[in-house]
Amino acid sequence: AQSVTQPDIHITVSEGASLELRCNYSYGATPYLFWYVQSPGQGLQLLLKYFSGDTLVQGIKGFEAEFKRSQSSFNLRKPSVHWSDAAEYFCAVGGFGNEKLTFGTGTRLTIIP
Amino acid sequence: GAVVSQHPSWVICKSGTSVKIECRSLDFQATTMFWYRQFPKQSLMLMATSNEGSKATYEQGVEKDKFLINHASLTLSTLTVTSAHPEDSSFYICSARGLHLDRGVNSPLHFGNGTRLTVT
Repeated sequence: AQSVTQPDIHITVSEGASLELRCNYSYGATPYLFWYVQSPGQGLQLLLKYFSGDTLVQGIKGFEAEFKRSQSSFNLRKPSVHWSDAAEYFCAVGGFGNEKLTFGTGTRLTIIP
Repeated sequence: GAVVSQHPSWVICKSGTSVKIECRSLDFQATTMFWYRQFPKQSLMLMATSNEGSKATYEQGVEKDKFLINHASLTLSTLTVTSAHPEDSSFYICSARGLHLDRGVNSPLHFGNGTRLTVT
């Protein structure tokens, strides 16, 4: 069975500070990994995804994530957060030929001035 | 970019009534649509997968007679919550996958903005 763990329920960072959101996955085959962002009362927007190749992937809004197979992790990073980054972030895992995604429980990001 | 429109964005209904939620792909053909339910401060739980022209596949524990899904065309899927009860109050989100040569999770998935259902 596939699963995603996001150990941090809520993170608060100062505007301009760096950010790292943790994601660990469990998947029986080669995983496809995703990070989505959700603003309050909204749907989900894809930030970035990893299928294969370079383990450091770049996404929109200045986000990046690094796939580490040995640690079963796919942590999301941003060098300098902006107040507009405050939102809920979800990590998800799927696989080739598997149309369903399994989402983590999310990490709520709060930005303080 | 690809857009998925979900309507209504919020609805309040009385217990015992039925509510229909629409999910439309506006500028692409959606061969597969997914319906999720999200409780406050929780993740998205997949309810069912629907493919155009065929019956939806429901996840374990989801009552197919209560959550009726219809995917009659390549641009529209509907979720009907029948005989709604207060415990059905939730945020429902649809997503759609476009028609691509390579099926599966590596083809883009586009989300609607969700529907807030409140049953009184």
